[in-house]
Amino acid sequence: QQQVKQSPQSLIVQKGGISIINCAYENTAFDYFPWYQQFPGKGPALLIAIRPDVSEKKEGRFTISFNKSAKQFSLHIMDSQPGDSATYFCAANESGNTPLVFGKGTRLSVIA
Amino acid sequence: GVTQSPTHLIKTRGQQVTLRCSPISGHKSVSWYQQVLGQGPQFIFQYYEKEERGRGNFPDRFSARQFPNYSSELNVNALLLGDSALYLCASSFGGGKNNEQFFGPGTRLTVL
Repeated sequence: QQQVKQSPQSLIVQKGGISIINCAYENTAFDYFPWYQQFPGKGPALLIAIRPDVSEKKEGRFTISFNKSAKQFSLHIMDSQPGDSATYFCAANESGNTPLVFGKGTRLSVIA
Repeated sequence: GVTQSPTHLIKTRGQQVTLRCSPISGHKSVSWYQQVLGQGPQFIFQYYEKEERGRGNFPDRFSARQFPNYSSELNVNALLLGDSALYLCASSFGGGKNNEQFFGPGTRLTVL
């Protein structure tokens, strides 16, 4: 049973455009929602994370939007750059150092 | 950061393998994940203060332990072709409500 569903599977965006990746979760006990960025041959790097007490969190060009009632959250990458081309994973877990449950990933390609 | 060794490993079916991980200084929890090509990481084990705190849906061929210095080993016996994957180690404080998990570069295991 997949507890975190991620879409789209792949995404092509023009340089300077906005990249949007969506995730939906099932477990209402989840209260921590990170996004990871992974380049080929590397481990996932923590990009940005949000907790359910806020609806939006912004760090530089990266913004997480969170909708608790819909059990959905999304990553927006503003002014997308070719260097942003990577695979992005959403994840979720419960407080207290519990295992992360990952989505299947979105391969983002930013073209000039 | 989190360090893992070896970087790459090639084994044949039926062999045994040991993967190693050193967490970020000050972190007391280590988690192991398996990432098959094109998928998100799947949770295998979590250790905190040398005690197993969680186990994912993996067969008994997989085992792990954590040492007094908080480093960890993942062992896989009787290797199968399907064990070929990137094995990731994640480090976290482990206490309180801090959920942040930081990944190492991974060990790429190929089973022939």
